[in-house]
Amino acid sequence: GAGVSQSPSNKVTEKGKDVELRCDPISGHTALYWYRQSLGQGLEFLIYFQGNSAPDKSGLPSDRFSAERTGGSVSTLTIQRTQQEDSAVYLCASSSRMGSYNEQFFGPGTRLTVL
Amino acid sequence: QKEVEQDPGPLSVPEGAIVSLNCTYSNSAFQYFMWYRQYSRKGPELLMYTYSSGNKEDGRFTAQVDKSSKYISLFIRDSQPSDSATYLCASTSGGYQKVTFGTGTKLQVIP
Repeated sequence: GAGVSQSPSNKVTEKGKDVELRCDPISGHTALYWYRQSLGQGLEFLIYFQGNSAPDKSGLPSDRFSAERTGGSVSTLTIQRTQQEDSAVYLCASSSRMGSYNEQFFGPGTRLTVL
Repeated sequence: QKEVEQDPGPLSVPEGAIVSLNCTYSNSAFQYFMWYRQYSRKGPELLMYTYSSGNKEDGRFTAQVDKSSKYISLFIRDSQPSDSATYLCASTSGGYQKVTFGTGTKLQVIP
């Protein structure tokens, strides 16, 4: 079946502009995660959704970052007033309960470049 | 100090070599230990996971966890050029708890 998809695959924007990144999880997966991957920094957790609610948003780096999920499916990560340090690959993952461990399936990511 | 520490490499080995990748972690609540493989410009994909201490083998790959020393290892036997990728270790306490990743080790297997 279809995996996790993300759009756009690449986004170049100017400093100060707002951007929206989209994630379509695997159908039926109730949990959705956003991560940021910067060069040499590994994957940095941003936010986790269970259904449409976000029990853990502790990784959002500032109030310029927000995310929502609608219909228990698609999620949008919004970055307002982008800064050059926001340049990174933004990865989305989804999972369903598998015993006590939830394997996360990742999308290909959105590569964001802020000029 | 990061909760999961991983040597970023890069690591370059000849084809057929045994590769050893290692991580350490600091959070005693971690119960599940995973290895992800990430090819260039792709999302990470799960290679294997281990619950608590012990070994797990899957083909050419063996994962080891030593909770007493908080040490995680991945061994790749008979390495192939197709194994060239970045390998990320990760840990979680389980359920829907967030997963904490290492920075990844970039591996190159030379034909």
